[in-house]
Amino acid sequence: AQSVAQPEDQVNVAEGNPLTVKCTYSVSGNPYLFWYVQYPNRGLQFLLKYITGDNLVKGSYGFEAEFNKSQTSFHLKKPSALVSDSALYFCAVRDTGGGNKLTFGTGTQLKVEL
Amino acid sequence: DTGVSQDPRHKITKRGQNVTFRCDPISEHNRLYWYRQTLGQGPEFLTYFQNEAQLEKSRLLSDRFSAERPKGSFSTLEIQRTEQGDSAMYLCASSLPASQSPLHFGNGTRLTVT
Repeated sequence: AQSVAQPEDQVNVAEGNPLTVKCTYSVSGNPYLFWYVQYPNRGLQFLLKYITGDNLVKGSYGFEAEFNKSQTSFHLKKPSALVSDSALYFCAVRDTGGGNKLTFGTGTQLKVEL
Repeated sequence: DTGVSQDPRHKITKRGQNVTFRCDPISEHNRLYWYRQTLGQGPEFLTYFQNEAQLEKSRLLSDRFSAERPKGSFSTLEIQRTEQGDSAMYLCASSLPASQSPLHFGNGTRLTVT
């Protein structure tokens, strides 16, 4: 069965500094990986995805993610954090069993401070 | 607004009562998913439809839960004889059928069972 792990419950970063939110995955076959962001009392918003090709994927709001097959990781990054980036971030992997359903990690709370 | 719409946003009910939630997907999306999210956890898959056909149900979906998508457009999720453990955010998402298509989520229905 496929799974993702987000080892950090919370990440704190100062505004203007680079941020990284970590994700590792376990899947048989080629992984389809996704990042979503969730603001309080809202649904999840799609940020970016990795399907194939370039290991550096660019997404919405200046976010990017680096796919590393040897380390089975898909870390989310942003060169310069904003206070408005503070939210809950989820990594997800597409199930191999059919449909497009996703298996999500437990989430990482990002807090960007002035 | 052409996003995924869920109704109601909040529902408070007493234990033992039945509740029904509605989801209207993005119009051109033929896949529709239901997820459940509890505090501090990532969304957990419940079930999904392709058009009107329910193609998969999670073991999380007990006999008290039923979902329908009668005309391949909107969907309903009903919980019978609610229990306090049913308290959660119920998220609906939709997608195109292509395997790399991301899921687009609604803002969810927060259920509180007292």
